[in-house]
Amino acid sequence: AQKVTQAQTEISVVEKEDVTLDCVYETRDTTYYLFWYKQPPSGELVFLIRRNSFDEQNEISGRYSWNFQKSTSSFNFTITASQVVDSAVYFCALSGGYGQNFVFGPGTRLSVLP
Amino acid sequence: DTEVTQTPKHLVMGMTNKKSLKCEQHMGHRAMYWYKQKAKKPPELMFVYSYEKLSINESVPSRFSPECPNSSLLNLHLHALQPEDSALYLCASSQVLAGGGIQETQYFGPGTRLLVL
Repeated sequence: AQKVTQAQTEISVVEKEDVTLDCVYETRDTTYYLFWYKQPPSGELVFLIRRNSFDEQNEISGRYSWNFQKSTSSFNFTITASQVVDSAVYFCALSGGYGQNFVFGPGTRLSVLP
Repeated sequence: DTEVTQTPKHLVMGMTNKKSLKCEQHMGHRAMYWYKQKAKKPPELMFVYSYEKLSINESVPSRFSPECPNSSLLNLHLHALQPEDSALYLCASSQVLAGGGIQETQYFGPGTRLLVL
C-alpha cells in the first residue's frame, strides 16, 4: 500500500522567514510520481510540482524549492522569504507507476503572519 | 484562470433529493476524476474516467453515480445522500500518457460545496 506522511499539521511563520514542509512517502513501486499541491482558503487545489522517481535533481522555481531524496523517501518543499499569500494548506501526493493508486498526504496548514 | 469548471459552486439538498454536479474541462485531457474532501482532511479519490470509460471506482456507495458523456464533461449524480456526504467535491482532469492517467499532473476545478440536510 502507498502512504504519504506530512508530520507537520500546522506551521506558523512570520513574513520573510524561510519554511520547509516535510513529506515522507512509502511505496513498493520502483516507478512512482510525487506531487505538491497548494490549497488556499478558496478551496481550489493548485498544482506546484511533479517529480518522477528516476529524477532526483532538486528543483527551484522562484521562491519555491524541492528536495527529493530516495534514500530517505522524502520530498520536502521549502518556501524562501515567505509571504502572506503563501498561507494555505499544502498537500504532498504520491502516484504509483501502474496507474492504480493516487494518495494525498494529510496536508500541512501554513500560516504566514505579517 | 482555471480551465476546469464546476457547477454549482454550492448545493444544499435533502436526503430524498436527486441532484447532479457538473464538471467541464477545456484542456483536451482524456482522464477526469472526482474527489471528495471533508473539512481539514485531504481529498479522497472517488472515480477515475479514462477515455470516457470508468477505470477506477474506489468502493464508492451507489448513491453516487458518475457519468462521462464526452471527453470534456463529467457528471456526478447524487441520490438519497446522507448528512455525512456533506463535503467539498472536486473535479480534476489530466493527460493520459500511460497507466490510465493517474500518474499525470491533475488540474483541479474550484469544487462544489455540498450540504445534505
